[in-house]
Amino acid sequence: GAGVSQSPSNKVTEKGKDVELRCDPISGHTALYWYRQSLGQGLEFLIYFQGNSAPDKSGLPSDRFSAERTGGSVSTLTIQRTQQEDSAVYLCASSVGLRGQFFGPGTRLTVL
Amino acid sequence: RKEVEQDPGPFNVPEGATVAFNCTYSNSASQSFFWYRQDCRKEPKLLMSVYSSGNEDGRFTAQLNRASQYISLLIRDSKLSDSATYLCVVTRSGGANNLFFGTGTRLTVIP
Repeated sequence: GAGVSQSPSNKVTEKGKDVELRCDPISGHTALYWYRQSLGQGLEFLIYFQGNSAPDKSGLPSDRFSAERTGGSVSTLTIQRTQQEDSAVYLCASSVGLRGQFFGPGTRLTVL
Repeated sequence: RKEVEQDPGPFNVPEGATVAFNCTYSNSASQSFFWYRQDCRKEPKLLMSVYSSGNEDGRFTAQLNRASQYISLLIRDSKLSDSATYLCVVTRSGGANNLFFGTGTRLTVIP
């Protein structure tokens, strides 16, 4: 069956530009997570959506970061006025209940 | 104290060896436990869930010790393709972000 998909797979942008990253979770998965991972580092939690509840935004590093999840399905992570330290792989994962998460292939963001 | 702690390694073992990783968790209310593997420059992939009674999947055995709050992963007859980073994941109900990742243990299987 279809897994989690993310687009674009790679994004190169200039410092100061805005970017939008998209995640399509597995159908029926109520929970959706965004993480980012720098090379050789662990996963850094960003934001968590669960059904219709208010999202947990506690991991967002600054107010330049925001995310939406429309209709309980597709999610968009937006980074405004990108900085070089935003360069990382942005991973989306979905799950249902207390079962394990399934990750998308990630979006590799490079800010020049 | 971190929610989940793992020895980062690296573990370098010869092909055919048996290797074990442990992971400790701090919250006794933790409910579900998983092992993931992550290959270089790839996303984490679910390897196996960890059940209270312990469970096995081929060469892989996972165990949970609730009293001591740790989980383990045993890999028998290591293959070159087992080289990866192994991540321990713990979940608990309640709260918003209820899922916690360890930083991973790096394994390299040497020919």
